[in-house]
Amino acid sequence: GNSVTQMEGPVTLSEEAFLTINCTYTATGYPSLFWYVQYPGEGLQLLLKATKADDKGSNKGFEATYRKETTSFHLEKGSVQVSDSAVYFCALAGGSNYKLTFGKGTLLTVNP
Amino acid sequence: EAGVAQSPRYKIIEKRQSVAFWCNPISGHATLYWYQQILGQGPKLLIQFQNNGVVDDSQLPKDRFSAERLKGVDSTLKIQPAKLEDSAVYLCASSLDRLARGETQYFGPGTRLLVL
Repeated sequence: GNSVTQMEGPVTLSEEAFLTINCTYTATGYPSLFWYVQYPGEGLQLLLKATKADDKGSNKGFEATYRKETTSFHLEKGSVQVSDSAVYFCALAGGSNYKLTFGKGTLLTVNP
Repeated sequence: EAGVAQSPRYKIIEKRQSVAFWCNPISGHATLYWYQQILGQGPKLLIQFQNNGVVDDSQLPKDRFSAERLKGVDSTLKIQPAKLEDSAVYLCASSLDRLARGETQYFGPGTRLLVL
């Protein structure tokens, strides 16, 4: 079946540091890939997505590139802010009903 | 545009009691999902509706969980009887069309359930 493995947290960075959160997946066919973010006390929000190989999703300074050859969708940001502190979930949608399969989440804390 | 609404936000019950959660999806969204998110884990799909029909309930513990979506809009998820391991956040999400590649799911704030 489909599965997502993402970097174990927590991750603690200083403001303006570079961020990478690794995500790899196992899936049949050609899934769509997503990063969702959960800010403290809030619901899950879509951060970015990519629907085919070599696509790059981007939003709010975050980027991730769909790499089919390495089955990866790593999240990056060049300069994090305190407001980026949240839990980040990598997910894929595949199969006949495009069911979402999530990773376990990575807690990011950014200190001023 | 109003988001996905859920109620209640918090619920505390004792084991063997019953509980129900309500979800109102974004207007016009045909597909509705219920997820269970246990602390420290990613959300797990329990059931998926397309309009008022069930598309996928393969991970729904049917001996104690039930869900319905009457008239293809609001939905309720029920647990009866609850067990300690049902303590989790229950998330409702909706999307325009489950068959569209890359379709975005929009999540509600969730209901946090504690079973004592």
